[in-house]
Amino acid sequence: EAQVTQNPRYLITVTGKKLTVTCSQNMNHEYMSWYRQDPGLGLRQIYYSMNVEVTDKGDVPEGYKVSRKEKRNFPLILESPSPNQTSLYFCASSLSMLHEQYFGPGTRLTVT
Amino acid sequence: AQTVTQSQPEMSVQEAETVTLSCTYDTSESDYYLFWYKQPPSRQMILVIRQEAYKQQNATENRFSVNFQKAAKSFSLKISDSQLGDAAMYFCAYRSYNTNAGKSTFGDGTTLTVKP
Repeated sequence: EAQVTQNPRYLITVTGKKLTVTCSQNMNHEYMSWYRQDPGLGLRQIYYSMNVEVTDKGDVPEGYKVSRKEKRNFPLILESPSPNQTSLYFCASSLSMLHEQYFGPGTRLTVT
Repeated sequence: AQTVTQSQPEMSVQEAETVTLSCTYDTSESDYYLFWYKQPPSRQMILVIRQEAYKQQNATENRFSVNFQKAAKSFSLKISDSQLGDAAMYFCAYRSYNTNAGKSTFGDGTTLTVKP
């Protein structure tokens, strides 16, 4: 089944404890992206990747890191999480930047 | 930077009737793509419809159609014969093609309620 998977789905952590949210797609998509969704603010793009080893900042990249060493994986790293990073995070992929995005199920992150 | 505005935070429609969700955007680009996504209570984001800016013909997908007005920078979604399963939050999204290739901008969403 073609899909985008994210792990973990739910995470509660403390301020400053490094964490990684994994994202993987099995559709051989070139483009991948991370978003955060906060009430009343829609989805805001954090980082995106047009292809392996190519990543660019979205609108809200501060406090986040990404890497794209393989085509299928695009992990999101929070080196020192803070409470303002409490949010619902979505990973998405698409065949190219011109195509519709397929979204993962979301990761609910709470930083206390 | 591109902006996407959905001016209706909430809308409601009677089952079997038609509803239109509005979306306007601001851009200086001539080539771009527009999308409507649906997010039901499960939180899964699902593509509803897609429109290429260079196409004058409005996209349609079964009961869903758009009214794309490029000069007015307007991209509304019409849902015909509304069903209970259409209840969800709907997001309008813009994707750059040239200058900011790869960037995506979403509106704040419209919550649609369908009344039986």
